[in-house]
Amino acid sequence: QSALTQPASVSGSPGQSITISCTGTSSDVGGHNYVSWYQQHPGKAPKLMIYDVTNRPSGVSNRFSGSKSGNTASLTISGLQAEDEADYYCSSYRSRSTTLYVFGTGTKVTVL
Amino acid sequence: EVQLVESGGGLVQPGGSLRLSCAASGFTFSSNWMSWVRQAPGKGLEWVANIKQDGSEMYYVDSVKGRFTISRDNAKNSLYLQMNSLRAEDTAVYYCATEGGHWFDPWGQGTLVTVFS
Repeated sequence: QSALTQPASVSGSPGQSITISCTGTSSDVGGHNYVSWYQQHPGKAPKLMIYDVTNRPSGVSNRFSGSKSGNTASLTISGLQAEDEADYYCSSYRSRSTTLYVFGTGTKVTVL
Repeated sequence: EVQLVESGGGLVQPGGSLRLSCAASGFTFSSNWMSWVRQAPGKGLEWVANIKQDGSEMYYVDSVKGRFTISRDNAKNSLYLQMNSLRAEDTAVYYCATEGGHWFDPWGQGTLVTVFS
């Protein structure tokens, strides 16, 4: 089961915007609006940041936004802050498979 | 407060077995699909298995089919993962997570399983 493809690392200065891509196939990212994004700080459990491509859970900063085009989903962090430094993972439901969910390879975000 | 607490991790030799548990509180456990997700040391997340609200449907990642069994006890608000024929590549932190829809929220703090020879 191939993982979704993310860049290994993305960096930006405080206040800048960054975008993390998540590339899959027509069986997962491109076939459904079931992409979610998770933030994980070292030694901590993942935290849901975006669900169903664009929706933000209650309590998550509006500096986080999601989008999708074709087989690629994206997470944008605006007004980058020091506390945004973490690992980020995308996930997608996968149809025509008994492996129902697939995660991305993960992206380390560094705030310079 | 919604809370998931995993337990049961530990050291085991290849070929051995472990049973993980996840105790849920603060929400209606029986209303949600539940999943296990694992993370090998220094690696990314991997979805392992999930189970329907009433336990009538279960799905697994190919690498654990025939070796792992997910189950739940709604009366005890608990989720389980029976892991047999463990391999070195099963070494990971195992998280239980609630499925709100096609997403995972919240997550437990995780329990570490180490398969060593």
